[in-house]
Amino acid sequence: NAGVTQTPKFQVLKTGQSMTLQCAQDMNHNSMYWYRQDPGMGLRLIYYSASEGTTDKGEVPNGYNVSRLNKREFSLRLESAAPSQTSVYFCASSEVRTYHSPLHFGNGTRLTVT
Amino acid sequence: GDSVTQMEGPVTLSEEAFLTINCTYTATGYPSLFWYVQYPGEGLQLLLKATKADDKGSNKGFEATYRKETTSFHLEKGSVQVSDSAVYFCALSDRGGGADGLTFGKGTHLIIQP
Repeated sequence: NAGVTQTPKFQVLKTGQSMTLQCAQDMNHNSMYWYRQDPGMGLRLIYYSASEGTTDKGEVPNGYNVSRLNKREFSLRLESAAPSQTSVYFCASSEVRTYHSPLHFGNGTRLTVT
Repeated sequence: GDSVTQMEGPVTLSEEAFLTINCTYTATGYPSLFWYVQYPGEGLQLLLKATKADDKGSNKGFEATYRKETTSFHLEKGSVQVSDSAVYFCALSDRGGGADGLTFGKGTHLIIQP
């Protein structure tokens, strides 16, 4: 049981380049999330998808777009990367969108923008 | 808005010492509370949770009690091991706040020395 799988694990971009971070879950979860983790800041929610076909902004959505391709997959796109987007990105999923449903995380994508 | 405050560390202890990591929260509704653990190079894993006042979550020797009167959810373990070295995140999910996903503290880096 793979859980939540993120690709790639590492990426280096130049300012202005674009890329898509991929995320897939095999737990038949309804809700999926993208977080970024920065030193001293904890985890901050970028975008989430409560169910297939819906997406909503989180705390820090500027500079990002998302696509909920199907129930399994939720991708995060950087259209024009900036050094401020250097971070570790985590995808997560949960069974339902309720207050007590824990999140299951992938192992992260470490992105450096030069 | 919702927020979680926890000691950032690093917290350095000797093996078999008693551990307490403090966590306090502010929420508009009546939240569920979580502790997650992150080992080096990995994503976050759910350690324990509590969904109502006076609930005690426990797992792998770790415990935390939901204290509504003091808005706290302190993590404790009676005898830590080197393998407990990791970053620990306190988080909440607010059923009444309308937000989605989890709100995380900034994380506490725990180092256990043999």
